[in-house]
Amino acid sequence: QVQLQESGPGLVKPSETLSLTCTVSGGSISTFYWSWIRQPPGEGLEWIGHFSYTGGTNYNPSLKSRVTISVDTSKNQFSLKMTSVTAADTAVYYCARRDCSGGTCYLRFWGQGTLVTVSS
Amino acid sequence: DIQMTQSPSSLYASVGDRVTITCRASQNIYIYLNWYQQKPGKAPNLLMYAATTLEPGAPSRFSGSESGTNFTLTITSLQPEDFATYYCQQTYGPSWTFGQGTKVEIK
Repeated sequence: QVQLQESGPGLVKPSETLSLTCTVSGGSISTFYWSWIRQPPGEGLEWIGHFSYTGGTNYNPSLKSRVTISVDTSKNQFSLKMTSVTAADTAVYYCARRDCSGGTCYLRFWGQGTLVTVSS
Repeated sequence: DIQMTQSPSSLYASVGDRVTITCRASQNIYIYLNWYQQKPGKAPNLLMYAATTLEPGAPSRFSGSESGTNFTLTITSLQPEDFATYYCQQTYGPSWTFGQGTKVEIK
């Protein structure tokens, strides 16, 4: 069974860079697309972007200038970096795996989420 | 960007009720529409994909339909474990978006 686990600092200062890692077990990270999604406290879900080791990256246009998703196959991990954070970036951040069937894609496997607070 | 308008934002229902949640896309997204259930403090859980395909293991009381740019999630007989927030998600094109969510609460 595929399992994902987010890790990283729970507190980031304004204007600094948020860095999170998602460790994948139960499957190789070399296949599939890997996604990040966030959810501000009490609010809805926002798709951040996804990345594939074999090529292909897509980001939410509203975050694209500040976000980078990358993959480390040696550790079976993928990461999220978001620069110049503000309080509006305070959220629970989820990692997930993109699966596809019959030409349509969805997020079947999710991490438990990690809360990142942006505050001085 | 493709916008997803989900309604209602919340609803009150009783066990046994039939519940319908609607999602409207700002353009044609064909069947590139998924539904997730989220309980407090937990990650979302995939319920339905490709608009009408039930995720394996999901209860058969959940069903999905589509008509043009309108999509519906129906729960035929609401159970206590169904009280949660439901999100639609479009996956047509390179940038994905979620609806605002519908919170199903106990009447």
